[in-house]
Amino acid sequence: EIVLTQSPATLSLSPGDRATLSCRASQSVRGYLAWYQQKPGQAPRLLIYDASKRAAGVPARFSGSGSGTDFTLTITSLAPEDFAVYYCQQRSVWPTFGQGTKLE
Amino acid sequence: QVQLRESGPGLLKPSATLSLTCSVSGGSIRSSYWSWIRQPPGKKLEWIAFIYQSGDTTYNPSLRSRVTISIDTSKNQFSLKMNSVTSADTALYYCARIGETAAGTPGYFDSWGKGSLVTVSS
Repeated sequence: EIVLTQSPATLSLSPGDRATLSCRASQSVRGYLAWYQQKPGQAPRLLIYDASKRAAGVPARFSGSGSGTDFTLTITSLAPEDFAVYYCQQRSVWPTFGQGTKLE
Repeated sequence: QVQLRESGPGLLKPSATLSLTCSVSGGSIRSSYWSWIRQPPGKKLEWIAFIYQSGDTTYNPSLRSRVTISIDTSKNQFSLKMNSVTSADTALYYCARIGETAAGTPGYFDSWGKGSLVTVSS
């Protein structure tokens, strides 16, 4: 099983700040990594796939980077609706998720 | 825009068999891959299984011995059965579509249902 470790567990920021979330894989997943946003009481929403491609309808302030074992989700200028939990997920082998980063 | 809706028992007793169904609307189940994912309270997401419209299946190795995923293209539905449930199986169960890559392989979870809460308790 490929283990994904996200850091930090909690990120405390304010609207307008820049957020940087990290996801590290226990072995290379090449570029097969996605980021999801989950708000309370809602299903996850796909934001970024293949490490750096934005899903349809995702604002340009969300960007992803990385390859191999180290990945980053960056949110420039946080909007109030961006405060949520973010998960990374790999599909290199069978799918696994990180434990999440809560952006508060 | 495809929509997914889970239906399930809500509450079941330990050692029982869990049956969940996902109804797909706004699109045909005869394309893409279809999956089940669960989230125990306060915990991370765990992928359970996925199925292709052809009936080909792939399972999480840690759950494979207890789980069966199936598809009914005539009803535009797919289902999950999990036997011998315990309290550890208490979770919110989501069904989701996996987008198909250009190579025809499973991509990412791009559409989700709202989830069905399953509680295992005596």
